[in-house]
Amino acid sequence: KAGVTQTPRYLIKTRGQQVTLSCSPISGHRSVSWYQQTPGQGLQFLFEYFSETQRNKGNFPGRFSGRQFSNSRSEMNVSTLELGDSALYLCASSRLADHTGELFFGEGSRLTVL
Amino acid sequence: AQSVTQLGSHVSVSEGALVLLRCNYSSSVPPYLFWYVQYPNQGLQLLLKYTSAATLVKGINGFEAEFKKSETSFHLTKPSAHMSDAAEYFCAVSDILTGGGNKLTFGTGTQLKVEL
Repeated sequence: KAGVTQTPRYLIKTRGQQVTLSCSPISGHRSVSWYQQTPGQGLQFLFEYFSETQRNKGNFPGRFSGRQFSNSRSEMNVSTLELGDSALYLCASSRLADHTGELFFGEGSRLTVL
Repeated sequence: AQSVTQLGSHVSVSEGALVLLRCNYSSSVPPYLFWYVQYPNQGLQLLLKYTSAATLVKGINGFEAEFKKSETSFHLTKPSAHMSDAAEYFCAVSDILTGGGNKLTFGTGTQLKVEL
């Protein structure tokens, strides 16, 4: 059974640009969550999607957005990139909407903003 | 809001020694608690979870954790450390009570180093 797949794994952008990250969940999983990991702030919840609907959102500015498609694949977008957006962005999938936090994580997309 | 605190950002043990990683939670009601492990350049992997059933929870790779309500703790232990246990460990609490079951609040992490 394939795990959670995130693309791209590494990318470099400059300030002001925008970026789109992709996540393919484990087959049969309908919930996709996104987390940002930085040395300073640690792991922070961005948002969660279930059946194409955003169920929860963390405390991030509107520059951070996401969506989920009918096949459960998800994308997140960050517009007008800032240096502080440099981070490892982790996607996690779960079979159910309230699966009590048992998440399966991908290896992440490491974004560097110059 | 629920939160977890991990004491000790770095822990070093000898191979074969006891591993003890500390986690204390803050919650007004019984929480759902988790330990995740992250190996270098990888995502997180669930080690074990507490969901108000047995207070002693056994996980993968020989790890276990005990939920102690009186101490608001959920410490992670392993009787004998192995070199392959070197990784970063995160304690987390679920927002299940406010409908955010898949929304986790993580601790700051503990980097475990295992020495020969």
